[in-house]
Amino acid sequence: DTEVTQTPKHLVMGMTNKKSLKCEQHMGHRAMYWYKQKAKKPPELMFVYSYEKLSINESVPSRFSPECPNSSLLNLHLHALQPEDSALYLCASSQSSRLGYEQYFGPGTRLTVT
Amino acid sequence: SQQGEEDPQALSIQEGENATMNCSYKTSINNLQWYRQNSGRGLVHLILIRSNEREKHSGRLRVTLDTSKKSSSLLITASRAADTASYFCATDAVDSNYQLIWGAGTKLIIKP
Repeated sequence: DTEVTQTPKHLVMGMTNKKSLKCEQHMGHRAMYWYKQKAKKPPELMFVYSYEKLSINESVPSRFSPECPNSSLLNLHLHALQPEDSALYLCASSQSSRLGYEQYFGPGTRLTVT
Repeated sequence: SQQGEEDPQALSIQEGENATMNCSYKTSINNLQWYRQNSGRGLVHLILIRSNEREKHSGRLRVTLDTSKKSSSLLITASRAADTASYFCATDAVDSNYQLIWGAGTKLIIKP
């Protein structure tokens, strides 16, 4: 199984809501990533988890809170978001957080903040 | 952050023709990867080429790497409508140990 799944596919939330994005992989990958992608732009790295520990936080605002409950699951908790946070949120996994390995991406969650 | 620039930004060709996209980067790299993204969906890894390789093939894809010019090209032969997508290059710089540096992408449209 070389698939990364993400739920939900679409999410609309108000600025006072709390919601969570979920990501799952069963490839035995030890690194998992959250990216944010705006229209017609490349993905921007947000967080990297390596062996279920947060290894990289690319200065992401605290209204985004990642969580890695186990080696197969990755969550992104959202709270008090701003309209400019509307974007496609992509989860990815790879064998290692060291570079030189391909990353497998999920289909993304299209987030709209109203 | 981005170190890659892709050219052209957009490319429209007839089905059956070959499509060539270019990627230039600024710093020395260990590897360069190409990804495809269908409209509003996740990215799919196409090919990885290491800095000591000059050319790599995968099916209808051919990637070249010229480290002296800090550039790479992706050639798709005998294009199909299903190849319509955005194509991104991503590099890992020698002095970066965790983050891929992405190019701006080329939007490829295959006309039937």
